[in-house]
Amino acid sequence: AQTVTQSQPEMSVQEAETVTLSCTYDTSESDYYLFWYKQPPSRQMILVIRQEAYKQQNATENRFSVNFQKAAKSFSLKISDSQLGDAAMYFCAIYTGTASKLTFGTGTRLQVTL
Amino acid sequence: DGGITQSPKYLFRKEGQNVTLSCEQNLNHDAMYWYRQDPGQGLRLIYYSQIVNDFQKGDIAEGYSVSREKKESFPLTVTSAQKNPTAFYLCASSIGWINQPQHFGDGTRLSIL
Repeated sequence: AQTVTQSQPEMSVQEAETVTLSCTYDTSESDYYLFWYKQPPSRQMILVIRQEAYKQQNATENRFSVNFQKAAKSFSLKISDSQLGDAAMYFCAIYTGTASKLTFGTGTRLQVTL
Repeated sequence: DGGITQSPKYLFRKEGQNVTLSCEQNLNHDAMYWYRQDPGQGLRLIYYSQIVNDFQKGDIAEGYSVSREKKESFPLTVTSAQKNPTAFYLCASSIGWINQPQHFGDGTRLSIL
């Protein structure tokens, strides 16, 4: 079975600062995909960034980047130059071919302050 | 604009009643999914469908049923057998199989009267 753990229920960051959200996972598969999704107050889930496990290079999408440590089974999300619009719930998720489904963590609520 | 439309936004169910949540997409995606979200929890997969007329149970399929008669539609029925249906329900779709990025609808909030 695959599991995803987000140990930070809530985080806070000042506008323009950088914040890192943690995510660890467990799987026996060698080939899998990792995702970060954002859920703003509107409740719609929005894909933030995606990482293939076979790629050593960390994925980057504008102000969002990941630190993928395969041996440690860690997949943290770094948000640079935080903006008020970044305030949301952030979910980490994993997909493996064996399970054939996405498994989500419990989420981290990010607050952005002035 | 392409996207996923879920309706209604809010739904109330009486005891012993079946209710159906609608999900329509115009993205020409092959795969569609239904998730349930409870407070303090992540999303849990109810059912998914890779192609028309085919669907598979997810982690929490008991008390739910689906159909996939058309590529663009994937309705979810919450039956009276689902004893704790109060939750937020999200529909999603993806181009191919589940490892592709999923696009989500705005969700339906289901409550018990």
